[in-house]
Amino acid sequence: AQKITQTQPGMFVQEKEAVTLDCTYDTSDQSYGLFWYKQPSSGEMIFLIYQGSYDEQNATEGRYSLNFQKARKSANLVISASQLGDSAMYFCAMREKTGRRALTFGSGTRLQVQP
Amino acid sequence: DGGITQSPKYLFRKEGQNVTLSCEQNLNHDAMYWYRQDPGQGLRLIYYSQIVNDFQKGDIAEGYSVSREKKESFPLTVTSAQKNPTAFYLCASSLQTGAYGYTFGSGTRLTVV
Repeated sequence: AQKITQTQPGMFVQEKEAVTLDCTYDTSDQSYGLFWYKQPSSGEMIFLIYQGSYDEQNATEGRYSLNFQKARKSANLVISASQLGDSAMYFCAMREKTGRRALTFGSGTRLQVQP
Repeated sequence: DGGITQSPKYLFRKEGQNVTLSCEQNLNHDAMYWYRQDPGQGLRLIYYSQIVNDFQKGDIAEGYSVSREKKESFPLTVTSAQKNPTAFYLCASSLQTGAYGYTFGSGTRLTVV
């Protein structure tokens, strides 16, 4: 069974600094997708970035980048130049491309950006 | 605009009552999902459906039921058998074969009183 582990319940970062949110995963599938979502206090799930298991380059979307290390089964999210509006819960998720194909989520990291 | 509509946003239920949460999408997505989120925790899969008239249990299906009679609709019933139903419920949908493209609703916060 697939599993996502986020070991940082909470993180603090100063405004304008970079921060890395950790995510490790476990799967027996060779083909899978990794996602990061942001959840502000309103509860909505905001898609940030996606990495396919066969993608050779790390994904980037604006200030977000995904540090994908396949051999270590890690998919860390890097947020550059943190902004106050980045304060939220962040979830790592995985979808295997066989089987049930539903997202499996980690327990999340609460990020607080300080001025 | 296409999206997912969950209603109601807030729901209060008395112990022992069944309650149904609505989820409607106009994205023409094949697959739909229900997740439960407890405070400070991640999302856990309750049920999912990859096609009309078919659905499968997720990781925490006990005490819940669903139906998928139309492609656009995937209602979730929280039954009296669910011992701790107070939680935030999120509905999502996706293309059957898309690499990514999950769309989430805005959620329903259920409180048992």
